[in-house]
Amino acid sequence: DTAVSQTPKYLVTQMGNDKSIKCEQNLGHDTMYWYKQDSKKFLKIMFSYNNKELIINETVPNRFSPKSPDKAHLNLHINSLELGDSAVYFCASSQDLEVGELFFGEGSRLTVL
Amino acid sequence: GQNIDQPTEMTATEGAIVQINCTYQTSGFNGLFWYQQHAGEAPTFLSYNVLDGLEEKGRFSSFLSRSKGYSYLLLKELQMKDSASYLCAVRDSNYQLIWGAGTKLIIKP
Repeated sequence: DTAVSQTPKYLVTQMGNDKSIKCEQNLGHDTMYWYKQDSKKFLKIMFSYNNKELIINETVPNRFSPKSPDKAHLNLHINSLELGDSAVYFCASSQDLEVGELFFGEGSRLTVL
Repeated sequence: GQNIDQPTEMTATEGAIVQINCTYQTSGFNGLFWYQQHAGEAPTFLSYNVLDGLEEKGRFSSFLSRSKGYSYLLLKELQMKDSASYLCAVRDSNYQLIWGAGTKLIIKP
């Protein structure tokens, strides 16, 4: 059983399109995250959700919108894709905001042409 | 601002020992993590330090000095599969994780 799973693993699309990435965790964790890792391999936090409530919203463009239907799922929707959005997006979860290490999904590699 | 520094790249020989350093300046401290990330894969958890001292886990050990804002990850008996990036991350006073840019470790036969 995969602890944190995200789909799709690869996504190639044109500028201006809208796309979504789904994430699910079966660890019973309270906190989920979206990270962006660019070509320089730097992990940048985008969003954190604790028990379905947004608790950190870093300065990302409002074209990015997280949606959490329940605490086991955190999806990422991206509108009007731009070239600079090309990156690997990682979903992760932790026991809660204050405790425990992060468990990462396999990543979704987004390429915008 | 908050900052984590670690070397960009290190090279070591199979069977040897390597120490990867991490220094941090953060708003408060609630623990330090080390993660391993192989190329094209997700980061995986290696170790966690919240008190000063050494934590040992098999071939890997991690050390923390809170007064110096310093940690290191020690890898012994290096194997080719240890070639990866090693990420240092600190949980600050707001429980936000601050990440370093990672150290790419190259193991040579």
